[in-house]
Amino acid sequence: GEDVEQSLFLSVREGDSSVINCTYTDSSSTYLYWYKQEPGAGLQLLTYIFSNMDMKQDQRLTVLLNKKDKHLSLRIADTQTGDSAIYFCAERANQAGTALIFGKGTTLSVSS
Amino acid sequence: DAGVIQSPRHEVTEMGQEVTLRCKPISGHDYLFWYRQTMMRGLELLIYFNNNVPIDDSGMPEDRFSAKMPNASFSTLKIQPSEPRDSAVYFCASSLTWAGTKNIQYFGAGTRLSVL
Repeated sequence: GEDVEQSLFLSVREGDSSVINCTYTDSSSTYLYWYKQEPGAGLQLLTYIFSNMDMKQDQRLTVLLNKKDKHLSLRIADTQTGDSAIYFCAERANQAGTALIFGKGTTLSVSS
Repeated sequence: DAGVIQSPRHEVTEMGQEVTLRCKPISGHDYLFWYRQTMMRGLELLIYFNNNVPIDDSGMPEDRFSAKMPNASFSTLKIQPSEPRDSAVYFCASSLTWAGTKNIQYFGAGTRLSVL
């Protein structure tokens, strides 16, 4: 079945780059997403990538997609303490529906 | 738009009591989702609606859980009777689905439920 896997924790120093990795199983996924959850808040869309793209850059964020390996990554350049949060990778469940399958989330801890 | 609005933000109840969580989606959105988040299981999709009709409720844990969407601007998730293992954060999300929207889901701030 469909599944999205992420590592649970990542710890970096302020100013370093962070790379959060994700693997997914549904090869028919058209969009893949990164959501961010700050403490006590709901999930907020950070960025997304369409499946016909290999890379998408948005300011400090770079998303890389390897469709062959079903691997998605999120790179945050010049990581700040305000980037500390849980990051969720998600894929669309199927072609007909709009439900998303989320990974368990990666907790990013940024130390100064 | 104010975004997805959930109420209450926090709910503390005793085992056996009925709990009702409420959600107001973003105006004009045609999909509404209910999720549950726990440390052990992460974010789980419970049920989702399209144009007020339940499409997939396979994630609803058991008969104690029920969800309704009587109109396009309101949905409820009810737990009766509640049990301590239902303690979690419950999120509601909505999305607008037409070509170009990319199926982005917008989440509410969640309801933190504690069942004692």
